[in-house]
Amino acid sequence: GDSVTQMEGPVTLSEEACLTINCTYTATGYPSLFWYVQYPGEGLQLLLKATKADDKGSNKGFEATYRKETTSFHLEKGSVQVSDSAVYFCALSNRDDKIIFGKGTRLHILP
Amino acid sequence: DAGITQSPRHKVTETGTPVTLRCHQTENHRYMYWYRQDPGHGLRLIHYSYGVKDTDKGEVSDGYSVSRSKTEDFLLTLESATSSQTSVYFCAISESYLASRPGANVLTFGAGSRLTVL
Repeated sequence: GDSVTQMEGPVTLSEEACLTINCTYTATGYPSLFWYVQYPGEGLQLLLKATKADDKGSNKGFEATYRKETTSFHLEKGSVQVSDSAVYFCALSNRDDKIIFGKGTRLHILP
Repeated sequence: DAGITQSPRHKVTETGTPVTLRCHQTENHRYMYWYRQDPGHGLRLIHYSYGVKDTDKGEVSDGYSVSRSKTEDFLLTLESATSSQTSVYFCAISESYLASRPGANVLTFGAGSRLTVL
């Protein structure tokens, strides 16, 4: 079945450092791909999405490119802030109604 | 923000007791989902609904049942709670799963319900 694998955390960085959180997927066909973010004490919220190969999703300085050849959707940001500290989830949806999440990566940004 | 509320937000109960969590939406979205979040497991789908009285199982449905008698309400029931069901439960809604539709498969989450089974 479909699955999502993302890098284990926690990831700890200093403010203004570059961020990459790896995400790879296994799916038949052409899934849509998502990154969600969960701030402390809150539910998840959509950060960005891409619905077809080579699409780039972007929001709040974060970017991710849908790479079908490597089945990847890595999350990147050029300069992180303390306020980016959160848990990040990669997810996919395929031809049915279900949305599959990775296990999440906790990010700590130090001032 | 989408109108989605979960109740109760916190509950402590004893093993063997029944528990019902409620998810209420004001967006008239067709799809509703129940997930549980546990350390080391991320988010796992319990059950979902694609319309009134139309539900299906997710990957961790054992020990849970759901009902959807109205578009706006999706209930999750633990018939006899066990300690392994201690978790944070999230409800989510989406408008459509068709990739061609705007907002397809974009989930809006509730704030979560923390359940502790002693």
